[in-house]
Amino acid sequence: DTEVTQTPKHLVMGMTNKKSLKCEQHMGHRAMYWYKQKAKKPPELMFVYSYEKLSINESVPSRFSPECPNSSLLNLHLHALQPEDSALYLCASSPRGGLTNTGELFFGEGSRLTVL
Amino acid sequence: QKEVEQNSGPLSVPEGAIASLNCTYSDRVSQSFFWYRQYSGKSPELIMSIYSNGDKEDGRFTAQLNKASQYVSLLIRDSQPSDSATYLCAVNRVLTGGGNKLTFGTGTQLKVEL
Repeated sequence: DTEVTQTPKHLVMGMTNKKSLKCEQHMGHRAMYWYKQKAKKPPELMFVYSYEKLSINESVPSRFSPECPNSSLLNLHLHALQPEDSALYLCASSPRGGLTNTGELFFGEGSRLTVL
Repeated sequence: QKEVEQNSGPLSVPEGAIASLNCTYSDRVSQSFFWYRQYSGKSPELIMSIYSNGDKEDGRFTAQLNKASQYVSLLIRDSQPSDSATYLCAVNRVLTGGGNKLTFGTGTQLKVEL
């Protein structure tokens, strides 16, 4: 079982809805990530948080708004999405740095989003 | 040139054979290298990591790294039908602000046939 928990597992929303995806980890990791994966494509990095601060935003549209309330939680707020945003959204975590940072990312099971 | 390149496959091997998966990368400052396995509809699962040139073995899996050639490979010995999945090569760069930038290849679909 993964130690990164994502909720909900499935989400269907309309283009005018506001919803949120949630991610939680209790491994003491200080870096957390959002990836987006379309069918038959590799995961694409969206955001990186390190010590609750946004480290990378890969030019993601503003209709996706990340939030890191503390080192264990990561949210992705969704508003005015388009049907092409339908995808599997993956959360991951890793140790931040130093000798503990092997670069390994631990992924959650993902939230499958469908935008109608 | 893509940052991480893999043959998309499908790569078909008979049960019990050796499956060989290859990957090349373009960023010379990449520091660590990973192979993830992904079953259809599931999230990526880390199966091998390698950080220095040479071979690293773990059970039926052997990862090989050649930084001069910017090449990473994965060998799966005694392939089983349960190994049928997409294998993603991933290349990591540690960020100065903390965290990692992990870039994935497009994945190679492996089919192990009975």
